[in-house]
Amino acid sequence: DAGVIQSPRHEVTEMGQEVTLRCKPISGHDYLFWYRQTMMRGLELLIYFNNNVPIDDSGMPEDRFSAKMPNASFSTLKIQPSEPRDSAVYFCASSLVASGSGETQYFGPGTRLLVL
Amino acid sequence: AQSVTQLDSHVSVSEGTPVLLRCNYSSSYSPSLFWYVQHPNKGLQLLLKYTSAATLVKGINGFEAEFKKSETSFHLTKPSAHMSDAAEYFCVVSGGYSSASKIIFGSGTRLSIRP
Repeated sequence: DAGVIQSPRHEVTEMGQEVTLRCKPISGHDYLFWYRQTMMRGLELLIYFNNNVPIDDSGMPEDRFSAKMPNASFSTLKIQPSEPRDSAVYFCASSLVASGSGETQYFGPGTRLLVL
Repeated sequence: AQSVTQLDSHVSVSEGTPVLLRCNYSSSYSPSLFWYVQHPNKGLQLLLKYTSAATLVKGINGFEAEFKKSETSFHLTKPSAHMSDAAEYFCVVSGGYSSASKIIFGSGTRLSIRP
């Protein structure tokens, strides 16, 4: 398997523009996670899905952020309108369904977003 | 409630000397504990994990960690540092019940290796 795939790897945009980040999880993984990493706040869980259904979006910073998972092999994280403070590295991760705790998450390479 | 504290934001060691990255946790459940490594401009990679089996866990690249319930610690060690170990290391705790919302990442420890 190619692992978790994210696109684009780098994105530079201007304030106010819409940004869409994409993720393809590992085939067969039922959980998908979106994280944001900044120097100031470290790694933050934004939202996660189980079987394409959003389970917990309490980490989404505000209404400008939205995430979808239309099928088991694709998810998007959208920021509209974007602001300079959204500049960060956004990671997608996936994991298998587990009967208990200890699921290993497999991370994509990240999308480095810069909003000017 | 769960929390994880990485006690050092930066650790610097000489090549060939031991590495110790410290992590303390707090959990209401029997936790699962992980160490992830992030090399510059890369995603996170699992080093090792503890899930209530053996308390001494061996991971990739010669790293290991010991779960000490009495000390609520899960420190990461390696007998001999290599230049390629220079990276950011994250300690992670997750709930005893399968709930991803209880996954907590530490703030990270940056490991530097001196030649």
